[in-house]
Amino acid sequence: TQLLEQSPQFLSIQEGENLTVYCNSSSVFSSLQWYRQEPGEGPVLLVTVVTGGEVKKLKRLTFQFGDARKDSSLHITAAQPGDTGLYLCAGERVENTDKLIFGTGTRLQVFP
Amino acid sequence: NAGVTQTPKFRVLKTGQSMTLLCAQDMNHEYMYWYRQDPGMGLRLIHYSVGEGTTAKGEVPDGYNVSRLKKQNFLLGLESAAPSQTSVYFCASSYSLDGTGGAEQFFGPGTRLTVL
Repeated sequence: TQLLEQSPQFLSIQEGENLTVYCNSSSVFSSLQWYRQEPGEGPVLLVTVVTGGEVKKLKRLTFQFGDARKDSSLHITAAQPGDTGLYLCAGERVENTDKLIFGTGTRLQVFP
Repeated sequence: NAGVTQTPKFRVLKTGQSMTLLCAQDMNHEYMYWYRQDPGMGLRLIHYSVGEGTTAKGEVPDGYNVSRLKKQNFLLGLESAAPSQTSVYFCASSYSLDGTGGAEQFFGPGTRLTVL
């Protein structure tokens, strides 16, 4: 059973479109991170959110942590081909802060 | 700084063979992790270590063993490889996760293992 479910699993869009990726759980997290992974490489951290309701912006990417700290979303405005990759959310559970639980991943392809 | 390095990059094994994957980090991180990545499953934690000489089981530990004899190295062993262990393996390291902000995990480039 996956603790963190991401949707959609795949997303294929044209350059300039907007999109939102969701990361949902029934568990409460102390913090939640978003990573991006490109083919043949390991994931790289994009952002960490730690407060319920927190919103962080990274250029065209907007990240939100749910009020109850059980879910998060990633919104990309005007997607570009360089945004192509696998997006992974990862949570630090309140009851075990030694490790992260990773989501199932969303594979995004942006066509020129 | 090299960050996190993994050897080998690719390996093909026959069922029943054994091998060891090596992970090394030069960032003086306390925590180290081994994950496997399969299509549609994200990253699943195999084993992890919160310091030299310590190890703990993750979500999918069966069929794997680990050792952390030196702070900078974390070894993942497969004693008797099975086709179900065909996967991409990632090592990661971080400062401690203390519940106050979620320390960033730094990943190696991965090892692609095929078990025939």
